[in-house]
This record gives sequence, C-alpha cells and structure tokens, in this order.
Amino acid sequence: NAGVTQTPKFRVLKTGQSMTLLCAQDMNHEYMYWYRQDPGMGLRLIHYSVGEGTTAKGEVPDGYNVSRLKKQNFLLGLESAAPSQTSVYFCASSPQGANYGYTFGSGTRLTVV
Amino acid sequence: QQQVKQSPQSLIVQKGGISIINCAYENTAFDYFPWYQQFPGKGPALLIAIRPDVSEKKEGRFTISFNKSAKQFSLHIMDSQPGDSATYFCAARGGSNYKLTFGKGTLLTVNP
Repeated sequence: NAGVTQTPKFRVLKTGQSMTLLCAQDMNHEYMYWYRQDPGMGLRLIHYSVGEGTTAKGEVPDGYNVSRLKKQNFLLGLESAAPSQTSVYFCASSPQGANYGYTFGSGTRLTVV
Repeated sequence: QQQVKQSPQSLIVQKGGISIINCAYENTAFDYFPWYQQFPGKGPALLIAIRPDVSEKKEGRFTISFNKSAKQFSLHIMDSQPGDSATYFCAARGGSNYKLTFGKGTLLTVNP
C-alpha cells in the first residue's frame, strides 16, 4: 500500500518554464489537496478537489492550475514558473467526511531560478 | 484571518522533559482536531487526533488535552526523546468544510 506518491521529488526550473507535479493515491480517497510549505509560513492550501472532475481554489491559487481527471490522480501545473514559486509542495488525500485527517505525500522540492 | 493559532514557534526541551504545544481556534463548527508530526525532508504524518466530546486522549507518550469552552487544545509529549525532534502542526476541521485549517507549526528540539 503506497499511500500518496508524488513525482518528481526534486526539480529545478528556469523562470518562465512550465511543469506538472503528479500526485497519485491508492486509498480510494475522495478528497485531494495541494499545499506549499515555506519557512515561517506553515502549510498553505493552493487548490483542492472533492471528487473526480472537480477542483476548487485554496488560499494561494495564483500561478497554479490543477486537474483531477481520475479519482486517484491530482495534477498541479505551473504555466510560467516564477522565483516566488520556489517551495516544497505537498499533496494530501482524505476520505469523504469531516472527521478524517489527511495522508500526505513526501513532497516535491521545487527551485525556480 | 488565521483560524488556528499555534504557540510557541519553537521549543527546546531536555531529554526526559515534557513538551507542551498549544493551539487556539475561533470557529465553533470545528469538531475534529488532529496533530501532525513532520521530520525534515518528509511529509507531515498524523500523530494523534481528538474530537470535542472528550477532554483528553492519550496514545503512548503523546496526549491531547482539549478545552471546548476556552476553544483551546494542546499536545503534551511526556518523557521527550531526541527522536521526537520535529515540527508539529495542530489542525482543525468540521461541519461542511472539506479542508483542514493548520496552525503555523512548532519546531521542537529535544536535547540529549
């Protein structure tokens, strides 16, 4: 049981380049989330999804897009990377219902130069 | 608006001591309160969680104390060990909200 798998684990981008981060979960969870973690800022929600084919904006959605074409996958896209997007990105998933915590992936460390 | 306030930002404890991290919330609709532990280079992992119908939950050396009237909850780590050195996040969730609201985290260092 792999849980939540994020790829890639590390990536260096040049300003203006695009990329997609992939999150895959094998727990049949309904809800999936993308967070970024920066020093002193805690975990900030970028986008989330409450089911296949649905997405919604979180706290810091600007500069990112997401898609959830399959229940088990949640993709985070950066169309034109900026140095301000240098961060560690975490994907998480959760069963449906309010009384469950998240299962997090191990993160993607992204550097934009 | 920060709905979950966590303190302290950092904490240094001697081996064998008690570590205490506090969180306060504003939204009375919250009814699920987990704590996450994160080691460097890893994702946060669920440590322990509580619902407001109990005032305390204990799992091994980790205890959550919950005060519904004060809208506060805390994590106590008894007999703290160097292996407990990590960042700890409190969180809250409830009602129709699909999302956890996180505190900003506490960096715990346990000295040998």
